[in-house]
Amino acid sequence: SQTIHQWPATLVQPVGSPLSLECTVEGTSNPNLYWYRQAAGRGLQLLFYSVGIGQISSEVPQNLSASRPQDRQFILSSKKLLLSDSGFYLCAWSPSDTQYFGPGTRLTVL
Amino acid sequence: RKEVEQDPGPFNVPEGATVAFNCTYSNSASQSFFWYRQDCRKEPKLLMSVYSSGNEDGRFTAQLNRASQYISLLIRDSKLSDSATYLCVVNEDSNYQLIWGAGTKLIIKP
Repeated sequence: SQTIHQWPATLVQPVGSPLSLECTVEGTSNPNLYWYRQAAGRGLQLLFYSVGIGQISSEVPQNLSASRPQDRQFILSSKKLLLSDSGFYLCAWSPSDTQYFGPGTRLTVL
Repeated sequence: RKEVEQDPGPFNVPEGATVAFNCTYSNSASQSFFWYRQDCRKEPKLLMSVYSSGNEDGRFTAQLNRASQYISLLIRDSKLSDSATYLCVVNEDSNYQLIWGAGTKLIIKP
């Protein structure tokens, strides 16, 4: 069966520091991968999606970037965090039109 | 403009009651529809998929009205454990990008 991992589970970072969140999927190959952010009490905002290695589409221009160095690995990065980057970051994978989520990373920028 | 709209609630419902909430979508060409459940501080989890007129799974029934462009979720004999936020999701095209509603919060009271 397929599983999706994210780490870390929680993170507290100062403003201006870098960020790297990792997501890996097991039990499938060539999945579509997604990064979402959910602000407190809000809906899901799609940040990036990828249909294959090295293929990244950005939905919202901001100070975040994503990379897919391997088929089942998706990384979200930032060079300098802003206060507004605080939120719940969710990675998802999709075999078709249904998406399945990892446990998420709760990021607080102070 | 791509849009999925839900009543944010909260819906406060006594245990054992039946509750229903709707979700409207703007794109008449939308292909598939989903309800996800999200518990507090957790990732969304797929509850039901809706590809034709409706779907039923135990106490949960989802119905699709393409003419009026809305999807409904009915929960019968509600349990305390049904308390969560229910997210309505629409797939508008074959690109596997989902459009997410902001969610309806449901609170089941004893």
